[in-house]
Amino acid sequence: KQEVTQIPAALSVPEGENLVLNCSFTDSAIYNLQWFRQDPGKGLTSLLLIQSSQREQTSGRLNASLDKSSGRSTLYIAASQPGDSATYLCAVGQRGGGADGLTFGKGTHLIIQP
Amino acid sequence: GAVVSQHPSRVICKSGTSVKIECRSLDFQATTMFWYRQFPKQSLMLMATSNEGSKATYEQGVEKDKFLINHASLTLSTLTVTSAHPEDSSFYICSAIAGGRFEQFFGPGTRLTVL
Repeated sequence: KQEVTQIPAALSVPEGENLVLNCSFTDSAIYNLQWFRQDPGKGLTSLLLIQSSQREQTSGRLNASLDKSSGRSTLYIAASQPGDSATYLCAVGQRGGGADGLTFGKGTHLIIQP
Repeated sequence: GAVVSQHPSRVICKSGTSVKIECRSLDFQATTMFWYRQFPKQSLMLMATSNEGSKATYEQGVEKDKFLINHASLTLSTLTVTSAHPEDSSFYICSAIAGGRFEQFFGPGTRLTVL
């Protein structure tokens, strides 16, 4: 059974710093990996989607990498801002065509201090 | 594009009542919809996979007679929590996939509180 682990569980840093959030998964036979943002009491905002054949994806100040063979992904946040404060979730999809639900990690709770 | 809505956003009910939650894909046809549950300080856990016109597939440990799922059209899936109890209080989120695509689009979630 796939298990997704995110480290650290919580992180608090002053604004302006560059950050790395880590995600690992036990079964490397994934179809894709997604990073989401969740604000308190809210739904999910998709940040980046990486297909298993890709190594990384970038969107603005965000960069996500994927090393499928080692079961790891990282989310890099450049020049962090207070508005980046949220919980960041990593999720993997197992089967082609997206026919399976995603397996989520518990998230990294991020606080950016003004 | 790829917007998913949920209704209601928040519901409070008495123990023993049934609650229906709707999930709609607003600008695409969703061949598959998923229902997730999130308890406080926990991650999202998949409850069931719903394909239009067929019976839902439930994850291990999820009671199909308690959590009724109907996916009668390509834009609507409903989750009914029957005879709700306080331990069913949770955040329920749906997602949807368009045919031939692999990215899941998530709804805003429904906060269920059972008194």
